[in-house]
Amino acid sequence: DAMVIQNPRYQVTQFGKPVTLSCSQTLNHNVMYWYQQKSSQAPKLLFHYYDKDFNNEADTPDNFQSRRPNTSFCFLDIRSPGLGDAAMYLCATSGYGGEGVAGELFFGEGSRLTVL
Amino acid sequence: DAKTTQPNSMESNEEEPVHLPCNHSTISGTDYIHWYRQLPSQGPEYVIHGLTSNVNNRMASLAIAEDRKSSTLILHRATLRDAAVYYCILRDRGAQKLVFGQGTRLTINP
Repeated sequence: DAMVIQNPRYQVTQFGKPVTLSCSQTLNHNVMYWYQQKSSQAPKLLFHYYDKDFNNEADTPDNFQSRRPNTSFCFLDIRSPGLGDAAMYLCATSGYGGEGVAGELFFGEGSRLTVL
Repeated sequence: DAKTTQPNSMESNEEEPVHLPCNHSTISGTDYIHWYRQLPSQGPEYVIHGLTSNVNNRMASLAIAEDRKSSTLILHRATLRDAAVYYCILRDRGAQKLVFGQGTRLTINP
């Protein structure tokens, strides 16, 4: 059974029209991540939450926002998508093991965004 | 984040072992060596990780050099399903973030 679920799998939007991507998890992990992956590139971390603490990467554009209303759900909002924002958006979660060691990340299948 | 260096691509044959190298000469004492892989059209998945000793699991083995400046991911008997991009990543013991480098694209020939 899928443990990290992303919706929608495919999203088409118009230039400048806001988009929200969602991610839910059944693992009860306290850390959730959003990555952007463009064609033939490695995933790039946009931001992550540790519980409700939001951690933004320094080079993440202001156009990208996130919300985490509870442990299970996290949203990625793209306020005014440009052509350069077309990409796969990956959600991931991780927990913490014993002695404060960070656990492995579990990824969803991604949401592919097309901007027309 | 400390940097890793991997070959851009590698090729191997089905049912043969594959050794994927990774250099990480600036590794710090608290950095774990993680490997993830990304199959086509899927999100990345965890493969294995280690600190100093060699590690084995059902997917692969991780061989870590004595000075920890390099490591090798070993797939003992490659299948077509192992064709993917393999990422070697250094991650501090308690770090929340996981930062991907460019990875090695592995092709498996039938």
